[in-house]
Amino acid sequence: QKEVEQNSGPLSVPEGAIASLNCTYSDRGSQSFFWYRQYSGKSPELIMSIYSNGDKEDGRFTAQLNKASQYVSLLIRDSQPSDSATYLCAGFYNQGGKLIFGQGTELSVKP
Amino acid sequence: GAGVSQSPSNKVTEKGKDVELRCDPISGHTALYWYRQSLGQGLEFLIYFQGNSAPDKSGLPSDRFSAERTGGSVSTLTIQRTQQEDSAVYLCASSPRGGRAWSGANVLTFGAGSRLTVL
Repeated sequence: QKEVEQNSGPLSVPEGAIASLNCTYSDRGSQSFFWYRQYSGKSPELIMSIYSNGDKEDGRFTAQLNKASQYVSLLIRDSQPSDSATYLCAGFYNQGGKLIFGQGTELSVKP
Repeated sequence: GAGVSQSPSNKVTEKGKDVELRCDPISGHTALYWYRQSLGQGLEFLIYFQGNSAPDKSGLPSDRFSAERTGGSVSTLTIQRTQQEDSAVYLCASSPRGGRAWSGANVLTFGAGSRLTVL
């Protein structure tokens, strides 16, 4: 089992819809999780971080964490074509503190 | 510096040659990471430096890969006897501190990457 797993997609949603991106992780000791966005040919940039169970909202983005189920998600409301990118879920693994990324989910928002 | 700086931005080399990739992290950041991203793939962890602790080398794919970090700042990733499968973008990232406990200070900032092509 990979440390952090995502559906690779691609996920296609119409403009204005809600995009739902999912991630599972294997290390029950992981405490903090991150969603990074990566445009084609660019480096990843941080969108959201979450470390407590429940929801965290920031503008059109909501991150959800369920530690019992070892599940992290990202919801993007009112999706825009500019949201089209690959979304990477990441969590710290084991005691050493290295940050492990999932394989990313490609999102396409159609006008 | 203002951001994470990587050089070279592009490197084309012949199979069997050695290459060095350089990363200059944000000043004061104690944690430094190297990742590899092959075309259309996610980020593959390579190595992690945290302060003066021994680096976590668990992601290095073979003994042809090595990295060092001098003076707790600049890092160099060296690939010896390059192979075609080494072709990828090598990303460096730094954070104010490492560790997995949430502190807000373990958020990574990435450099622009070094694209390596092995012919």
